Amino acid sequence: DTEVTQTPKHLVMGMTNKKSLKCEQHMGHRAMYWYKQKAKKPPELMFVYSYEKLSINESVPSRFSPECPNSSLLNLHLHALQPEDSALYLCASSQDSAYSRGGTEAFFGQGTRLTVV
Amino acid sequence: AQSVAQPEDQVNVAEGNPLTVKCTYSVSGNPYLFWYVQYPNRGLQFLLKYITGDNLVKGSYGFEAEFNKSQTSFHLKKPSALVSDSALYFCAVRDFNQAGTALIFGKGTTLSVSS
Repeated sequence: DTEVTQTPKHLVMGMTNKKSLKCEQHMGHRAMYWYKQKAKKPPELMFVYSYEKLSINESVPSRFSPECPNSSLLNLHLHALQPEDSALYLCASSQDSAYSRGGTEAFFGQGTRLTVV
Repeated sequence: AQSVAQPEDQVNVAEGNPLTVKCTYSVSGNPYLFWYVQYPNRGLQFLLKYITGDNLVKGSYGFEAEFNKSQTSFHLKKPSALVSDSALYFCAVRDFNQAGTALIFGKGTTLSVSS
């Protein structure tokens, strides 16, 4: 099973709402990632977790709050977002931890299409 | 920091012809390089990677890539293009720093295969 599952697939939220994105993998991977992708642009790294600990935060605004409850789950809590935060949010996982010098590939979920109104 | 560049925004090729999607890299040390494909409104699918060893790497769906150290390139190739290969292609490099590692992507190249 090389699947990363993201829910929901689509989300529309107002600027005062609080919502969460969920990501799950059962491959025993040690690292999990959140990326943000605008249309026709490359994915931009937001957060990296290794062994359930936050290892990289790419200066993401505090209205995005990641959480890693266990080794299989990764959440992204959203609060007071702006319309410019509308994008495809991608979760990924890889076997190597983010501290490893290994070369394993990352597996991506299908993404959550977020629209902020 | 490590980086990759994709010099072409779009590549057009006729079905049945060979295709090449270009990627160059800038890294310190040995590069770990990857190619991904993305279909509309979907996540990224892994195609192939170069870590070490043979310079010609074979991957999924008939794709291959040639690692060229002297030219710092990692071009994606396929001998005979299919219309279904039309998609957005990303080259990526594994970036290492004190905080950890993650994949960093090039800007992407849109491949259009005409019938």
